[in-house]
Amino acid sequence: SQQGEEDPQALSIQEGENATMNCSYKTSINNLQWYRQNSGRGLVHLILIRSNEREKHSGRLRVTLDTSKKSSSLLITASRAADTASYFCATVETGANSKLTFGKGITLSVRP
Amino acid sequence: DSGVTQTPKHLITATGQRVTLRCSPRSGDLSVYWYQQSLDQGLQFLIQYYNGEERAKGNILERFSAQQFPDLHSELNLSSLELGDSALYFCASNRELQETQYFGPGTRLLVL
Repeated sequence: SQQGEEDPQALSIQEGENATMNCSYKTSINNLQWYRQNSGRGLVHLILIRSNEREKHSGRLRVTLDTSKKSSSLLITASRAADTASYFCATVETGANSKLTFGKGITLSVRP
Repeated sequence: DSGVTQTPKHLITATGQRVTLRCSPRSGDLSVYWYQQSLDQGLQFLIQYYNGEERAKGNILERFSAQQFPDLHSELNLSSLELGDSALYFCASNRELQETQYFGPGTRLLVL
């Protein structure tokens, strides 16, 4: 079963604009990870944020985590056409199990 | 390139048949995870192995089985295939449990 719910399901922006994607989850987590997938290809890990962290940066990516609201957001600044892809949030629940539970994904289109 | 390899890239077979998907984890990674991605179910965790032993099971059908060998490569066996088994099958690996998982390029299975 899927835990994460991303919002919006699809996003279309102009190159240079910022893209904000949101994810909500249901259970207590150890960490939350964001992945990118280009059209039917492999999943590329973007960033991992632990449950005791509130914000993390990596290049043009900024991730926030609010464990009280069980939500996370991914911000891509100064978007490029090459950012066009599907983005997934995935959680690792608290406990011994280290499997990833994915949301349904957000389709981001960046228009040149 | 994540360092995780999967073979074959594509597989076309008929209902009722049996196939084996292979995964080689990144060098030094002890844990291997299998995921299925389909249009209706999204990304679902199937099974995890750690250093040769099954560690966690997800939504894996009884017709499916997996193993991890002493050299740490893993195989996912799918038998009595049905049309609904058509999907992308990913494997992922990591060194430390509950940390970033690195995904292979996937095997696209089409059951006709």
